[in-house]
Amino acid sequence: AQSVTQPDIHITVSEGASLELRCNYSYGATPYLFWYVQSPGQGLQLLLKYFSGDTLVQGIKGFEAEFKRSQSSFNLRKPSVHWSDAAEYFCAVGARGFQKLVFGTGTRLLVSP
Amino acid sequence: DVKVTQSSRYLVKRTGEKVFLECVQDMDHENMFWYRQDPGLGLRLIYFSYDVKMKEKGDIPEGYSVSREKKERFSLILESASTNQTSMYLCASEPIPGQGVSSTDTQYFGPGTRLTVL
Repeated sequence: AQSVTQPDIHITVSEGASLELRCNYSYGATPYLFWYVQSPGQGLQLLLKYFSGDTLVQGIKGFEAEFKRSQSSFNLRKPSVHWSDAAEYFCAVGARGFQKLVFGTGTRLLVSP
Repeated sequence: DVKVTQSSRYLVKRTGEKVFLECVQDMDHENMFWYRQDPGLGLRLIYFSYDVKMKEKGDIPEGYSVSREKKERFSLILESASTNQTSMYLCASEPIPGQGVSSTDTQYFGPGTRLTVL
């Protein structure tokens, strides 16, 4: 069965420091992988996605993620965090057609001054 | 710009009431989805629809039904609301791969409806 694990419920990072959010997945076929961000009181916004090709994917707001098939991981990174990055981040996996995306439980990012 | 709207941001209902949550998308997408979001559980799929009048159960359909009479509108119905249905409800739509307004194959989400059942 498909599943997504985000092992960190909360992460606190100082403004200007680097960030890495972890995501591990279990999927029977070639996965399509996504990272979404949810600001307080808002819906989900797509940060980036991986379908195929280059395993390092660039997204919006300076985020990137690297697909590592051998580790079944798709970790999200940002070299320098801004206070406006404080939000909840969701990793998701799906198939072509993207029906029935499976989401992780989310990681809440707190940014300290 | 793509847009998914939900009829209410906040809703308070009483146990046993029939509740309608409306979702409208303006992107001519084929697929539409209803999720509920609960702390520590992430998003869980309730129902989805891949065409007008077509629907399929997601992972947690019990206590819910849906209606899709027009392509742009997808309604979630709680026939008899219960307190354990207090949650954030998110609607999403997506294009079928290969078509799409901006060639970005992804699900586009509405702002959510926070439903409280007393």
